[in-house]
Amino acid sequence: GENVEQHPSTLSVQEGDSAVIKCTYSDSASNYFPWYKQELGKRPQLIIDIRSNVGEKKDQRIAVTLNKTAKHFSLHITETQPEDSAVYFCAASRGILTGGGNKLTFGTGTQLKVEL
Amino acid sequence: EAGVAQSPRYKIIEKRQSVAFWCNPISGHATLYWYQQILGQGPKLLIQFQNNGVVDDSQLPKDRFSAERLKGVDSTLKIQPAKLEDSAVYLCASSPYGGHEQFFGPGTRLTVL
Repeated sequence: GENVEQHPSTLSVQEGDSAVIKCTYSDSASNYFPWYKQELGKRPQLIIDIRSNVGEKKDQRIAVTLNKTAKHFSLHITETQPEDSAVYFCAASRGILTGGGNKLTFGTGTQLKVEL
Repeated sequence: EAGVAQSPRYKIIEKRQSVAFWCNPISGHATLYWYQQILGQGPKLLIQFQNNGVVDDSQLPKDRFSAERLKGVDSTLKIQPAKLEDSAVYLCASSPYGGHEQFFGPGTRLTVL
């Protein structure tokens, strides 16, 4: 089955700096890669996702890049703010169309702390 | 639209007792997922339903865990008997048919003593 590794486990940045979180996956059939943000005691919420036919996707201060050959994808947050502090999870799935039923395999999470 | 609802929010039981969790997905969402999230880890899929049929239950410990979605709407996840290692947050999520995004509920935090 799919295995997703995520690094680093903790990341501390100064407000205004950029943050980068990296994930690798093992299943070459995976084609859907979402990123979830989970604040303490709250539910995971999708912040951005990318499909395998796209190499990069951007939404305001958040961007995700995908390298299918190397089987890794990354989350980039620019101009970080204190409200970005949370745990971020990457995930991978074969998606709906390839019969994977969109089963998500999550990484172990990155605790991001944005310091003033 | 209303989000995914779960109850109870918290549950404390002793080992070997049984417990049940309830989930009401977003209206019209055909796919429902149950995840187990152990402290410090990412969510792990336990079972996935498409309407009232099971799509994937490969990671469900079937000797003690069971789940049903009889009418293709609400779902119940049961643990019987519970073990200490079942202490976790149980998250329910739903997605529309053919949709990739999964919408999560607030979770049920289970503590097994």
